[in-house]
Amino acid sequence: EVQLVESGGDLVQPGGSLRLSCAASGFTFTSYWMSWVRQAPGKGLEWLANVKRDGSSKYYADSVKGRFTISRDNGKNSLYLQMNSLRVEDSAVYYCARGVGDKSIYFDSWGQGTLVTVAS
Amino acid sequence: DIQMTQSPSTLSASVGDRVTITCRASQSIDTLLAWYQQKPGKAPKVLIYKASSVESGVPSRFSGSGSGTEFTLTISSLQPDDFATYYCQQYYYYYTFGQGTKLEIK
Repeated sequence: EVQLVESGGDLVQPGGSLRLSCAASGFTFTSYWMSWVRQAPGKGLEWLANVKRDGSSKYYADSVKGRFTISRDNGKNSLYLQMNSLRVEDSAVYYCARGVGDKSIYFDSWGQGTLVTVAS
Repeated sequence: DIQMTQSPSTLSASVGDRVTITCRASQSIDTLLAWYQQKPGKAPKVLIYKASSVESGVPSRFSGSGSGTEFTLTISSLQPDDFATYYCQQYYYYYTFGQGTKLEIK
């Protein structure tokens, strides 16, 4: 069974940093692109970042480019999101998602999400 | 950026009804479109990919169609478990979701 378990969400002050993790199991991690998608309270879904199977290519939404960094550790079957210069509008549930395809991907498995709250 | 617009934003229907949700892209996305179902407090679940391919395990009452800029998700006979919010997502150029359609019980 595919499992994605996010962790690391917390309350952080504006301008602060946070690192999210996603532990993957039940599938061959190195065979899939991985992504982060977020959902602000009561709002829709927003794709944030992708990382290729071997970590060699990364893509970001304009809203987080330069502030967030996606990475993966294939030896630990783990995905990460380093979030710097956090803003109030970054408050959301953050999901990791498995991507099907080759760069043009849809998301066939999602974690349960981890809540990030940015407030003073 | 490719914008995705869903209609309606809210849909009231009864068990057994046939319902259709529309998603329009601001430019052609070929058939690189997916549909997701999300229930409150839960992660999204993929229903349809490549516009009309049904994900494994998804009931056959769900179907998708379209290409280019206009797409539809159809539920042939609503079941109680289907009341949820539905999102379309393009994956032709980066990734954009529609704003969502909330399917409510009439």
